[in-house]
Amino acid sequence: DAKTTQPPSMDCAEGRAANLPCNHSTISGNEYVYWYRQIHSQGPQYIIHGLKNNETNEMASLIITEDRKSSTLILPHATLRDTAVYYCIVRVAQTSGSRLTFGEGTQLTVNP
Amino acid sequence: EPEVTQTPSHQVTQMGQEVILRCVPISNHLYFYWYRQILGQKVEFLVSFYNNEISEKSEIFDDQFSVERPDGSNFTLKIRSTKLEDSAMYFCASSRTAIGNTIYFGEGSWLTVV
Repeated sequence: DAKTTQPPSMDCAEGRAANLPCNHSTISGNEYVYWYRQIHSQGPQYIIHGLKNNETNEMASLIITEDRKSSTLILPHATLRDTAVYYCIVRVAQTSGSRLTFGEGTQLTVNP
Repeated sequence: EPEVTQTPSHQVTQMGQEVILRCVPISNHLYFYWYRQILGQKVEFLVSFYNNEISEKSEIFDDQFSVERPDGSNFTLKIRSTKLEDSAMYFCASSRTAIGNTIYFGEGSWLTVV
């Protein structure tokens, strides 16, 4: 799986948009970009994923550059409960099931 | 919203004892996974399971570990003879399909080996 690079930490003011960047310059054509977050020691929580196009759901938006070498997760109105470690993961999809390889992620702290 | 459930939430065991961690994946899911996270470290993949057999395993998943789907709903991880370094949070996960599909995680089972 392609390696991802994320900043170790970021801060965001409550109510503002949080923009979390991720570099995945070696991504292959059949690899998806996934975002998960982990609040304290809870189970990783799925946020969003995409292949080529930008995606939006009730939690966040995912912007993938045209060359697919980087992406940005956008939390439009961050709340204190969004404080978590955010993981950008590139995953090969195989018919036999494919693993998620977690890196260090970005510790996002939302401040009041 | 359907969820992956795990039991027990916390277990303390003596070194050398066998431990079974249990999981109930989301009901229409076909792919099952175990991950672990040692305190302060990254989430690590252990094993994936599909069609009643292991489809992929990591180097961590040695002969001390085994997985089983004993019935139509449960998915278990067995550690035969626990070691101190097995102390970790163990996460079960499941997905409906493999390609482009989301993996959902349970809240974890915290294992402490003393």
